Amino acid sequence: DGGITQSPKYLFRKEGQNVTLSCEQNLNHDAMYWYRQDPGQGLRLIYYSQIVNDFQKGDIAEGYSVSREKKESFPLTVTSAQKNPTAFYLCASLPGRNNSPLHFGNGTRLTVT
Amino acid sequence: GDSVTQMEGPVTLSEEAFLTINCTYTATGYPSLFWYVQYPGEGLQLLLKATKADDKGSNKGFEATYRKETTSFHLEKGSVQVSDSAVYFCALTSQGGGADGLTFGKGTHLIIQP
Repeated sequence: DGGITQSPKYLFRKEGQNVTLSCEQNLNHDAMYWYRQDPGQGLRLIYYSQIVNDFQKGDIAEGYSVSREKKESFPLTVTSAQKNPTAFYLCASLPGRNNSPLHFGNGTRLTVT
Repeated sequence: GDSVTQMEGPVTLSEEAFLTINCTYTATGYPSLFWYVQYPGEGLQLLLKATKADDKGSNKGFEATYRKETTSFHLEKGSVQVSDSAVYFCALTSQGGGADGLTFGKGTHLIIQP
């Protein structure tokens, strides 16, 4: 079955360390997205990519970086510059058709202490 | 910019009660509207959608009608079950098709008691 795989489900890091969250999709979707979810704040867009080797900043890109070397993969790096990195991170993808819904992975919960 | 406003939660109901979760939006043009559901520890799943005014999306007993005159997309269900307990998100795409992602409301936590 096609879908989006995020790994790991839970991730723990010490403050000051960079950490990379994995997102892989086998849906052959063109566009991929990273959202951050915090209690009471809904989902906020970090970065998105509409094609390979191209990506754009979302609303809260500071302290994060991404790459899109392959269509299937869109890893997110949470750098030490991110002031409050503890959150639930969701990856999503979108086919090329207009007004299609986003497909989401099951998320990675990152805890930084 | 575009925005989505949902009623604050948590919303607590008894099993078999009628459910309404309000959603209003601000957007230019004619966005597509969505309701997503999130169960504990999981990602979001599409529940229903509507792409033009007066469209009604429906799925698993849930319904929502795209009301352009009131810029609303309220979620309703006639008889809720304990298994409906989850967080519900209203969202919209831009008129350009949403290639830059969706705009989400803050979510409404629904708790159904037996």
